[in-house]
Amino acid sequence: DTGVSQDPRHKITKRGQNVTFRCDPISEHNRLYWYRQTLGQGPEFLTYFQNEAQLEKSRLLSDRFSAERPKGSFSTLEIQRTEQGDSAMYLCASSFPGGSGSYEQYFGPGTRLTVT
Amino acid sequence: GEDVEQSLFLSVREGDSSVINCTYTDSSSTYLYWYKQEPGAGLQLLTYIFSNMDMKQDQRLTVLLNKKDKHLSLRIADTQTGDSAIYFCAVMYSSASKIIFGSGTRLSIRP
Repeated sequence: DTGVSQDPRHKITKRGQNVTFRCDPISEHNRLYWYRQTLGQGPEFLTYFQNEAQLEKSRLLSDRFSAERPKGSFSTLEIQRTEQGDSAMYLCASSFPGGSGSYEQYFGPGTRLTVT
Repeated sequence: GEDVEQSLFLSVREGDSSVINCTYTDSSSTYLYWYKQEPGAGLQLLTYIFSNMDMKQDQRLTVLLNKKDKHLSLRIADTQTGDSAIYFCAVMYSSASKIIFGSGTRLSIRP
């Protein structure tokens, strides 16, 4: 198992452009989470999926943000009409509740977005 | 509301013990975590404790939980240069849902 992977690792885009990030969770993990981390802060929750169902969305997730997990495996996070305030590290995590692995969220390396 | 607070910096001498403290506001916590983040790297889960436990020890790491005071601490024994990182306290308030993170404590090691 190679852990949670995210692609791309870095993205530079111009204001107003759309961007899409991908997250591949640890295999067999049925829960997938998206967080955003800005410089000097801890990660902030954005949304999470159980299998393909999106169960919770933060108020941080404006209507320019959309996340999908169509087959309950990988997930995508799209930001439309990017703004400079969207510049951050976008982190993905996965977990498999139950037994000894209950509620341990394992994080990927993140996608660093810079909006110019 | 849900809030997690940590001091921003801690400096310790190599070989000493480091104690990183955290307080949280909501008493309905279920799981409490410590994550480590090194420069340019992702978040590494160090350890976690269930809310019905007082203490958990794992090699050089000791986690203490005081539910009455809503206080969590992480003790690193025999601190090494490789322990230099930002340490995040995090709390989960309902099963398998979001984790609320503190702002992180930057641990620096002096020779």
